[in-house]
Amino acid sequence: NAGVTQTPKFQVLKTGQSMTLQCAQDMNHEYMSWYRQDPGMGLRLIHYSVGAGITDQGEVPNGYNVSRSTTEDFPLRLLSAAPSQTSVYFCASSYSPPGDYGYTFGSGTRLTVV
Amino acid sequence: DAKTTQPTSMDCAEGRAANLPCNHSTISGNEYVYWYRQIHSQGPQYIIHGLKNNETNEMASLIITEDRKSSTLILPHATLRDTAVYYCIVRVPYDYKLSFGAGTTVTVRA
Repeated sequence: NAGVTQTPKFQVLKTGQSMTLQCAQDMNHEYMSWYRQDPGMGLRLIHYSVGAGITDQGEVPNGYNVSRSTTEDFPLRLLSAAPSQTSVYFCASSYSPPGDYGYTFGSGTRLTVV
Repeated sequence: DAKTTQPTSMDCAEGRAANLPCNHSTISGNEYVYWYRQIHSQGPQYIIHGLKNNETNEMASLIITEDRKSSTLILPHATLRDTAVYYCIVRVPYDYKLSFGAGTTVTVRA
């Protein structure tokens, strides 16, 4: 049982490049989400999904795209990377609705856009 | 979600109890109090949650005042591994969004 796995752990992009951050969970959680954390700040929700085929925007969705074709995977796509997207990205999952159960977070992807 | 107010930082001696306060004066009747922590460079970790009764698990205890306008997370015997940022969050259980504030940076000193 690996929990929530994020890849890659580190990534450097040039402005304008695109890439996909991977997130996979093996707990059969229906709910998955992406957060970003900038230095000295709390986490901000980017996008979330309550099940395969269903996604919705969080508080900072601009510049990011998601899809959910399987229960296990929830990739985050950066369409055209900008320096403002330099951040640490965390994926989280839980049962749906979260109810009394806490969220399980991955270990993060540290992204630098130059 | 109701907003929360936490101290920016606090120190604690190893082996002593750490008491982390949180104010949530605008909490509504159906909102729970959740605590998470984030150890440096790791993803947040769920600690405990409660509605109005005190709660205890293997990690911590949660004390919620009778008027529910504030709460205290207690780490009974702090260790160096408890050094982290602790987040107090109020939300309804069916709300999918977690709103993280700045949290309290807790430093446990030997």
